[in-house]
Amino acid sequence: QLQLQESGPGLVKPSETLSLTCTVSGGSISGAIYFWAWIRQTPGKGLEWIGSISYNGNTHYNPSLQSRVTISADTSKNHFSLKLTSVTATDTAFYYCARQSVTYGTDYWGQGTLVTVSS
Amino acid sequence: DIQMTQSPSSLSASVGDRVIITCRASQDITNYLAWFQQKPGKAPKSLIYAASTLQSGVPSKFSGSGSGTDFTLTISSLQPEDFATYYCQQYKSYPFTFGPGTKVDIK
Repeated sequence: QLQLQESGPGLVKPSETLSLTCTVSGGSISGAIYFWAWIRQTPGKGLEWIGSISYNGNTHYNPSLQSRVTISADTSKNHFSLKLTSVTATDTAFYYCARQSVTYGTDYWGQGTLVTVSS
Repeated sequence: DIQMTQSPSSLSASVGDRVIITCRASQDITNYLAWFQQKPGKAPKSLIYAASTLQSGVPSKFSGSGSGTDFTLTISSLQPEDFATYYCQQYKSYPFTFGPGTKVDIK
């Protein structure tokens, strides 16, 4: 059974960089057809797709965040990561990692982690 | 970006009711449409992909239909465990976008 687990600081100061890692177990992130995504959720904006990285390293980002986002993957550790720079209070959200594919949509989600931006 | 809308935004229903939620895309997404269920404090759970295909393990009381811009999620006989918020998502083109959700609560 595939499992995804987010990890990282729950509190980040304004203007600093939010960094999260998603560790995948029960399957390889190197598998073809899948891409690995970050999604966030706030009461005000609902669910927002941040971006994804494919098995071959190609990335796609939401244009609304593109200037501040980097998603990378470490296949040796079977995990992928999110960096969001210059955060403000509006970046406070639950952050989820997920597996996506054109074939199966978004089929697996991590449990989510709350990141609060505050001094 | 493709805009996703859902209706209603909330509904009250009784156990045993048939519930229909609609989702509309601002442009043609063929059948690249997924549905999710989310309960308070939990991650979304995938129910349906490709507009009408149930994810593995999802009970058959859930069904999806539609193509192009108009889609529906039907719960044939609402059970206590089905009270939740339901979201649609298009994955036809980047950025993938979600609907605002439909909250189903107990009448």
